[in-house]
Amino acid sequence: GAVVSQHPSRVICKSGTSVKIECRSLDFQATTMFWYRQFPKQSLMLMATSNEGSKATYEQGVEKDKFLINHASLTLSTLTVTSAHPEDSSFYICSASPVSGANVLTFGAGSRLTVL
Amino acid sequence: GEDVEQSLFLSVREGDSSVINCTYTDSSSTYLYWYKQEPGAGLQLLTYIFSNMDMKQDQRLTVLLNKKDKHLSLRIADTQTGDSAIYFCAESSGAGSYQLTFGKGTKLSVIP
Repeated sequence: GAVVSQHPSRVICKSGTSVKIECRSLDFQATTMFWYRQFPKQSLMLMATSNEGSKATYEQGVEKDKFLINHASLTLSTLTVTSAHPEDSSFYICSASPVSGANVLTFGAGSRLTVL
Repeated sequence: GEDVEQSLFLSVREGDSSVINCTYTDSSSTYLYWYKQEPGAGLQLLTYIFSNMDMKQDQRLTVLLNKKDKHLSLRIADTQTGDSAIYFCAESSGAGSYQLTFGKGTKLSVIP
Protein backbone atom coordinates (compact mmCIF):
# COMPACT_ATOMS: atom_id res chain seq x y z
CA GLY A 1 0.00 0.00 0.00
CA ALA A 2 0.86 3.67 -0.13
CA VAL A 3 3.53 4.72 2.36
CA VAL A 4 4.47 8.19 3.53
CA SER A 5 7.73 8.64 5.34
CA GLN A 6 8.57 11.57 7.58
CA HIS A 7 12.02 12.52 8.79
CA PRO A 8 13.14 13.18 11.42
CA SER A 9 10.72 11.51 13.79
CA ARG A 10 12.05 13.56 16.69
CA VAL A 11 14.08 16.73 16.76
CA ILE A 12 15.21 18.99 19.55
CA CYS A 13 16.54 22.41 18.71
CA LYS A 14 17.44 25.68 20.39
CA SER A 15 15.30 28.78 20.13
CA GLY A 16 16.10 30.85 17.11
CA THR A 17 17.28 27.99 14.93
CA SER A 18 15.46 26.56 11.92
CA VAL A 19 14.33 23.00 11.53
CA LYS A 20 13.43 21.16 8.35
CA ILE A 21 11.02 18.23 8.28
CA GLU A 22 10.75 16.05 5.22
CA CYS A 23 7.71 14.21 3.96
CA ARG A 24 8.20 11.61 1.25
CA SER A 25 5.76 9.43 -0.61
CA LEU A 26 7.67 6.21 -1.04
CA ASP A 27 5.72 4.25 -3.61
CA PHE A 28 3.46 6.75 -5.26
CA GLN A 29 3.53 10.23 -6.65
CA ALA A 30 1.73 12.95 -4.75
CA THR A 31 0.75 16.17 -6.43
CA THR A 32 -0.68 17.35 -3.14
CA MET A 33 0.59 16.93 0.38
CA PHE A 34 -0.84 18.32 3.57
CA TRP A 35 0.87 19.49 6.74
CA TYR A 36 -0.89 19.24 10.07
CA ARG A 37 0.01 20.26 13.56
CA GLN A 38 -1.19 18.43 16.60
CA PHE A 39 -1.12 19.78 20.14
CA PRO A 40 -1.43 17.40 23.10
CA LYS A 41 -4.96 16.07 23.47
CA GLN A 42 -6.07 18.12 20.51
CA SER A 43 -7.14 17.31 17.02
CA LEU A 44 -4.99 17.72 13.96
CA MET A 45 -5.07 21.21 12.61
CA LEU A 46 -4.41 21.65 8.93
CA MET A 47 -1.60 24.12 8.47
CA ALA A 48 -1.15 24.18 4.74
CA THR A 49 -1.67 22.39 1.48
CA SER A 50 1.53 21.75 -0.42
CA ASN A 51 1.23 21.66 -4.20
CA GLU A 52 3.96 20.28 -6.38
CA GLY A 53 5.52 22.99 -8.48
CA SER A 54 3.55 25.87 -7.01
CA LYS A 55 3.17 27.82 -3.81
CA ALA A 56 1.63 26.24 -0.78
CA THR A 57 -1.80 27.32 0.39
CA TYR A 58 -1.80 28.25 4.05
CA GLU A 59 -4.73 28.06 6.41
CA GLN A 60 -5.91 31.17 8.17
CA GLY A 61 -3.70 32.09 11.08
CA VAL A 62 -0.65 30.13 9.87
CA GLU A 63 2.36 32.33 9.19
CA LYS A 64 3.77 31.42 5.81
CA ASP A 65 7.08 33.11 6.57
CA LYS A 66 7.37 31.09 9.74
CA PHE A 67 6.46 27.74 8.25
CA LEU A 68 8.11 27.47 4.87
CA ILE A 69 6.82 24.71 2.62
CA ASN A 70 8.55 23.47 -0.49
CA HIS A 71 7.09 20.76 -2.71
CA ALA A 72 9.84 20.44 -5.26
CA SER A 73 9.00 17.01 -6.62
CA LEU A 74 6.11 14.60 -6.80
CA THR A 75 7.53 12.59 -3.90
CA LEU A 76 8.91 15.20 -1.50
CA SER A 77 7.53 18.09 0.49
CA THR A 78 9.48 19.88 3.20
CA LEU A 79 8.32 22.00 6.10
CA THR A 80 10.87 24.37 7.57
CA VAL A 81 10.10 25.95 10.92
CA THR A 82 12.12 29.15 10.88
CA SER A 83 13.45 30.90 13.96
CA ALA A 84 11.80 28.32 16.16
CA HIS A 85 10.39 29.25 19.54
CA PRO A 86 9.24 27.00 22.39
CA GLU A 87 5.61 27.58 21.40
CA ASP A 88 6.40 25.90 18.08
CA SER A 89 6.99 22.67 19.95
CA SER A 90 4.42 20.27 18.63
CA PHE A 91 3.78 17.11 16.64
CA TYR A 92 3.83 17.78 12.93
CA ILE A 93 2.21 15.26 10.60
CA CYS A 94 2.11 15.21 6.84
CA SER A 95 -0.20 13.37 4.54
CA ALA A 96 -0.28 12.76 0.85
CA SER A 97 -2.77 11.84 -1.78
CA PRO A 98 -1.84 9.84 -4.85
CA VAL A 99 -2.12 11.36 -8.29
CA SER A 100 -4.97 8.99 -8.97
CA GLY A 101 -6.89 6.53 -6.89
CA ALA A 102 -9.35 6.47 -4.05
CA ASN A 103 -10.08 9.66 -2.22
CA VAL A 104 -8.05 8.80 0.85
CA LEU A 105 -4.96 10.16 2.46
CA THR A 106 -1.93 8.36 3.72
CA PHE A 107 -0.30 9.88 6.77
CA GLY A 108 3.28 9.95 7.86
CA ALA A 109 4.30 8.82 11.33
CA GLY A 110 4.79 12.40 12.46
CA SER A 111 7.70 14.49 13.65
CA ARG A 112 7.91 15.67 17.22
CA LEU A 113 9.59 19.02 17.51
CA THR A 114 10.85 20.28 20.84
CA VAL A 115 12.25 23.78 20.98
CA LEU A 116 14.33 24.56 24.03
CA GLY B 1 -17.00 26.44 9.17
CA GLU B 2 -17.23 22.70 9.37
CA ASP B 3 -17.16 21.09 12.77
CA VAL B 4 -16.64 17.50 13.85
CA GLU B 5 -17.41 16.45 17.40
CA GLN B 6 -16.45 13.32 19.30
CA SER B 7 -16.51 12.26 22.90
CA LEU B 8 -13.00 12.36 24.31
CA PHE B 9 -12.80 9.10 26.21
CA LEU B 10 -14.17 5.57 26.04
CA SER B 11 -13.27 2.66 28.24
CA VAL B 12 -14.30 -0.93 27.49
CA ARG B 13 -13.40 -4.40 28.69
CA GLU B 14 -11.44 -6.72 26.47
CA GLY B 15 -13.75 -8.82 24.38
CA ASP B 16 -16.63 -6.36 24.51
CA SER B 17 -17.69 -4.18 21.61
CA SER B 18 -16.63 -0.55 21.43
CA VAL B 19 -18.77 2.11 19.82
CA ILE B 20 -17.21 5.46 19.06
CA ASN B 21 -19.57 8.21 17.97
CA CYS B 22 -19.03 11.29 15.89
CA THR B 23 -21.25 14.14 14.72
CA TYR B 24 -20.51 16.59 11.98
CA THR B 25 -22.13 19.74 10.74
CA ASP B 26 -21.26 19.95 7.06
CA SER B 27 -24.21 18.62 5.09
CA SER B 28 -22.11 18.52 1.93
CA SER B 29 -19.67 15.97 3.38
CA THR B 30 -18.85 13.42 0.73
CA TYR B 31 -16.47 11.13 2.55
CA LEU B 32 -16.26 10.28 6.23
CA TYR B 33 -13.24 8.60 7.73
CA TRP B 34 -12.02 6.86 10.81
CA TYR B 35 -8.33 7.08 11.64
CA LYS B 36 -6.41 5.38 14.44
CA GLN B 37 -3.47 6.98 16.17
CA GLU B 38 -1.24 5.00 18.47
CA PRO B 39 1.02 6.86 20.93
CA GLY B 40 3.74 8.85 19.21
CA ALA B 41 2.68 7.68 15.77
CA GLY B 42 0.94 9.11 12.75
CA LEU B 43 -2.56 8.34 11.66
CA GLN B 44 -3.59 5.06 10.19
CA LEU B 45 -6.67 4.98 8.01
CA LEU B 46 -9.03 2.36 9.36
CA THR B 47 -11.95 2.78 7.05
CA TYR B 48 -13.99 5.32 5.20
CA ILE B 49 -17.53 5.56 3.92
CA PHE B 50 -19.12 7.48 1.10
CA SER B 51 -21.97 9.73 2.08
CA ASN B 52 -24.42 7.76 -0.05
CA MET B 53 -23.85 4.64 2.05
CA ASP B 54 -25.31 3.95 5.44
CA MET B 55 -23.18 1.03 6.53
CA LYS B 56 -19.82 -0.48 5.81
CA GLN B 57 -18.33 -3.54 7.43
CA ASP B 58 -14.71 -4.61 7.36
CA GLN B 59 -13.80 -7.55 9.57
CA ARG B 60 -14.21 -6.35 13.18
CA LEU B 61 -15.09 -2.82 12.14
CA THR B 62 -18.59 -1.60 11.34
CA VAL B 63 -19.27 1.97 10.31
CA LEU B 64 -22.78 3.35 10.49
CA LEU B 65 -23.75 6.63 8.90
CA ASN B 66 -26.96 8.50 9.59
CA LYS B 67 -26.78 11.28 7.07
CA LYS B 68 -30.03 12.87 8.22
CA ASP B 69 -28.69 13.29 11.74
CA LYS B 70 -25.10 13.80 10.56
CA HIS B 71 -23.99 11.03 12.87
CA LEU B 72 -21.21 8.56 12.25
CA SER B 73 -20.20 5.66 14.44
CA LEU B 74 -17.43 3.10 14.52
CA ARG B 75 -18.08 -0.22 16.17
CA ILE B 76 -15.14 -2.46 17.01
CA ALA B 77 -16.23 -6.00 17.76
CA ASP B 78 -14.31 -8.18 20.23
CA THR B 79 -12.14 -5.26 21.33
CA GLN B 80 -8.54 -6.18 22.06
CA THR B 81 -5.84 -4.43 24.09
CA GLY B 82 -4.12 -3.62 20.83
CA ASP B 83 -7.11 -1.51 19.89
CA SER B 84 -6.20 0.98 22.62
CA ALA B 85 -5.49 4.21 20.76
CA ILE B 86 -7.01 7.52 19.80
CA TYR B 87 -9.62 7.31 17.08
CA PHE B 88 -10.26 10.33 14.89
CA CYS B 89 -13.37 10.94 12.89
CA ALA B 90 -12.83 13.14 9.84
CA GLU B 91 -14.87 14.45 6.96
CA SER B 92 -14.13 15.93 3.58
CA SER B 93 -16.39 17.80 1.26
CA GLY B 94 -16.53 20.10 -1.68
CA ALA B 95 -13.63 21.24 -3.75
CA GLY B 96 -10.23 19.97 -2.76
CA SER B 97 -11.84 16.91 -1.26
CA TYR B 98 -8.58 15.62 0.13
CA GLN B 99 -8.73 18.31 2.78
CA LEU B 100 -10.04 16.82 5.96
CA THR B 101 -11.69 18.28 9.03
CA PHE B 102 -10.90 16.20 12.08
CA GLY B 103 -12.62 15.70 15.38
CA LYS B 104 -10.54 15.94 18.53
CA GLY B 105 -10.25 12.21 18.80
CA THR B 106 -11.65 9.60 21.19
CA LYS B 107 -9.16 7.88 23.43
CA LEU B 108 -10.14 4.24 23.67
CA SER B 109 -8.83 2.37 26.68
CA VAL B 110 -9.24 -1.38 26.73
CA ILE B 111 -9.27 -2.98 30.15
CA PRO B 112 -7.81 -6.52 30.20
